[in-house]
Amino acid sequence: GQQVMQIPQYQHVQEGEDFTTYCNSSTTLSNIQWYKQRPGGHPVFLIQLVKSGEVKKQKRLTFQFGEAKKNSSLHITATQTTDVGTYFCAPRNSGGYQKVTFGTGTKLQVIP
Amino acid sequence: NAGVMQNPRHLVRRRGQEARLRCSPMKGHSHVYWYRQLPEEGLKFMVYLQKENIIDESGMPKERFSAEFPKEGPSILRIQQVVRGDSAAYFCASSSDTGELFFGEGSRLTVL
Repeated sequence: GQQVMQIPQYQHVQEGEDFTTYCNSSTTLSNIQWYKQRPGGHPVFLIQLVKSGEVKKQKRLTFQFGEAKKNSSLHITATQTTDVGTYFCAPRNSGGYQKVTFGTGTKLQVIP
Repeated sequence: NAGVMQNPRHLVRRRGQEARLRCSPMKGHSHVYWYRQLPEEGLKFMVYLQKENIIDESGMPKERFSAEFPKEGPSILRIQQVVRGDSAAYFCASSSDTGELFFGEGSRLTVL
C-alpha cells in the first residue's frame, strides 16, 4: 500500500527566514492537497496540485508537485508569525471515491 | 453558505457512558469524513461516508465505535462505553466531488 512521509516533523525558524516541508510517497499520486492547522484550530485547505511538475503560488507560499507525481513541497518565503501552525499534505491515489489520509504534518514555529 | 457544523464543541463523559458527535456537512456536499486527533499529533482517518452508505471504515475500531450519515439529518459518530483513551478531538470534514475537504471546528471529548 501507499506509504507517505512528511518531513521535517518540526521546524523552528526566525521570523523572516524561509521554510520548506516535503511530502514523499512510495507510489504515484493522482493529486495532492495541502492543509494548514493553526494551534487549537481546525485544518484549512490551502491548495490542490494535479499535474506533473505543477507549481502554484499563493503570496509567499509556493507549492510544487514532482515530475513523477510522487513528491510535493510547500515553501514559505520570509516567514511571519502568522505562518505558525502545522502543515499537512493529503496525497490522493486514482481510482474512484476513497478515503483521504493525511501525512504526519510539519509543525512550524516562528520566533519573532 | 454555512460551513461544516459540528456539535457539541466540548463533551465530557464518564467512563462507560456514550458519546454522540454530530456533523452537518456543507450544503451540497455528499461526502463526509471523520478524523481523530490527539494533542500534538496528526489527523487519523476513521471513516468515510456518503449519504446512507459507509464507504470506508478501516480506521475505526470495530468495537464501541459506529458512524452513520442518514438521508436526512447530520452524520453521527457514536462511541459507546467510552474509556479514557477515547479522549481526543474529533474532526468532521465534508466535500463535494471535487475533493477539497472543508473541516468543522471539531468536537473535543474528555473522558473522566
